Amino acid sequence: AQTVTQSQPEMSVQEAETVTLSCTYDTSENNYYLFWYKQPPSRQMILVIRQEAYKQQNATENRFSVNFQKAAKSFSLKISDSQLGDTAMYFCAFRPDSNYQLIWGAGTKLIIKP
Amino acid sequence: DVKVTQSSRYLVKRTGEKVFLECVQDMDHENMFWYRQDPGLGLRLIYFSYDVKMKEKGDIPEGYSVSREKKERFSLILESASTNQTSMYLCASSSFRQGAGETQYFGPGTRLLVL
Repeated sequence: AQTVTQSQPEMSVQEAETVTLSCTYDTSENNYYLFWYKQPPSRQMILVIRQEAYKQQNATENRFSVNFQKAAKSFSLKISDSQLGDTAMYFCAFRPDSNYQLIWGAGTKLIIKP
Repeated sequence: DVKVTQSSRYLVKRTGEKVFLECVQDMDHENMFWYRQDPGLGLRLIYFSYDVKMKEKGDIPEGYSVSREKKERFSLILESASTNQTSMYLCASSSFRQGAGETQYFGPGTRLLVL
């Protein structure tokens, strides 16, 4: 079975610090996509960043970057210069190329403290 | 911008009632999804649809049904609500036109309480 594991239920850091959220997944497929989604309190879930498994280069979006280790099946999210608006639930998700369905982790609640 | 709307933000229903949750998207997306979100469990897929009148079961379809009569609208139906269906329900849509690994766009969610 394909699974996604987020081992940190909750994290908190001071504003302006860098924080890394971990995600590991289990699959036997070779082609797939990985995502980080963000769900701010009482607001809609939005995509933060996406990585295609066949691309070796780690994806970056402004202050957000990933460390994709395909052999280790690891996909961590790094948030640099964290801001109060980064406070949210963060979900890691995996989608095999063979399927429409996203497989989700349990989420990490990230709190940015002023 | 893609907009996905859900008919209610909060609902309170009684056990045994029939419940309709409606989702509408305005970007002509082919794919629509219904998820259930519970603390510590992440999102679990209930049903999805990749075309009008088409539906596929997700991981937890028991106790639910869906309807997609128009491309922009995807309804989730709880035929006889039970207390274990108290949860947050999220609708999402996406398009094959984005290419593989497409982004899912989410609605604001409906928090359902079944008493």
